[in-house]
Parts: sequence; structure tokens; C-alpha cells
Amino acid sequence: GQQLNQSPQSMFIQEGEDVSMNCTSSSIFNTWLWYKQEPGEGPVLLIALYKAGELTSNGRLTAQFGITRKDSFLNISASIPSDVGIYFCAGHTSGTYKYIFGTGTRLKVLA
Amino acid sequence: DGGITQSPKYLFRKEGQNVTLSCEQNLNHDAMYWYRQDPGQGLRLIYYSQIVNDFQKGDIAEGYSVSREKKESFPLTVTSAQKNPTAFYLCASSLRDPNYGYTFGSGTRLTVV
Repeated sequence: GQQLNQSPQSMFIQEGEDVSMNCTSSSIFNTWLWYKQEPGEGPVLLIALYKAGELTSNGRLTAQFGITRKDSFLNISASIPSDVGIYFCAGHTSGTYKYIFGTGTRLKVLA
Repeated sequence: DGGITQSPKYLFRKEGQNVTLSCEQNLNHDAMYWYRQDPGQGLRLIYYSQIVNDFQKGDIAEGYSVSREKKESFPLTVTSAQKNPTAFYLCASSLRDPNYGYTFGSGTRLTVV
């Protein structure tokens, strides 16, 4: 099955730094989602994007729906230790039954 | 509170045995999904169901079976035909139009001993 390309695969950053990650696809999507998964738990929805060019924030998190509709970006500002986890993007095309998930970006924050 | 519950959290299976993972939701969602997650990999779809008494194979259905007799429940059976069943299994649910995303359970970690 198709999976989306996420980069970077992993990041080690210092507390207080900003983080950027992205997700690219060969297909056009109508919806982009960003999830966070903590160790041993299921993913939790962070941000949903529905229009090309849309920029949406959730606290220190900001995500953008790429203009081409084939990519999306997630930024985390002023990282803190509890930001640790795996961040997944997911894309969806209207009329289809499922989301396509990215391979994940593993974030570790050093205090 | 509405949510999706997976049980057990940890499961150990001997080779050659079938095991069933439970998934129950009280969100009144029509659609339910099973995903498999291996270290360093994304989520791979095993089976999904959009309505009671109907389900379809996902990308890696071989060695797995499901049933959808009730809207709230979507159990997954890992059969002895699954050659490498050790993994983290995630159940999810959504509205029939999944445009608003999935709600995930907290997962079951299956280990073959």
C-alpha cells in the first residue's frame, strides 16, 4: 500500500528550539491530518487541514496545507520535553474510504 | 466519555495459536479500522468496515480475520497463518465520511513466544 514520505525520519533537538517537519505525496489530497503518538499509545489528532494553502494553529503547533495539495508541513515552536513522540501525517481523498499515513517523524527533546 | 477501547493492552501468543484482539467504540461511528504498526514503520491497514455485517481487506489482510456483527465492535483475529504477528495493533473508528479523521484506541501489543 501507498505510504507518504515524511522527513526528517528522526530529530534530536534542545528544549526551546523550533521544529519543522514535512510530508509529501505523489497524489493530490483533499484533507491533511497531523497526529502525535506517544510511546505505547494510539495516535492523537493534532490538526486537520481542508483547503490548499490553509494555515492552522493549535497552541505551539502550526500546520499548512501545501498549495500543490501534495504536501503538508508541521511546525512546533519552543519545544518542551512533553513534545516527545512520533508525528504522523495522513492524507485523504474525498470519496475514498481510508487515509494514507506517513512513515512518521520521531522527535526527541533534550532538556 | 465517548471513546474507543482496545483490550488487552499486552498479549502473548504461542506459535500456532489464534488470538483475538478486542475493539469497542461508543462514539456512534459507522466505520472501523485495524492497523498494524512495526518499529520504524508507519501504519499499515489490515481490514476496515464501513457498516455492520460488511468489511473489506486492507493492504496486509493475509493471516488476519475480522467480524462486524455490532456497530460498536470490530474484533480482529490473528491466525496461525500470519507468519510474523509480533507487532503493535491499533484500532480506529470514524464517521462514514472520514473527512474529520480517525479516533484511535490505545493499542494492543502482541508478542509471539
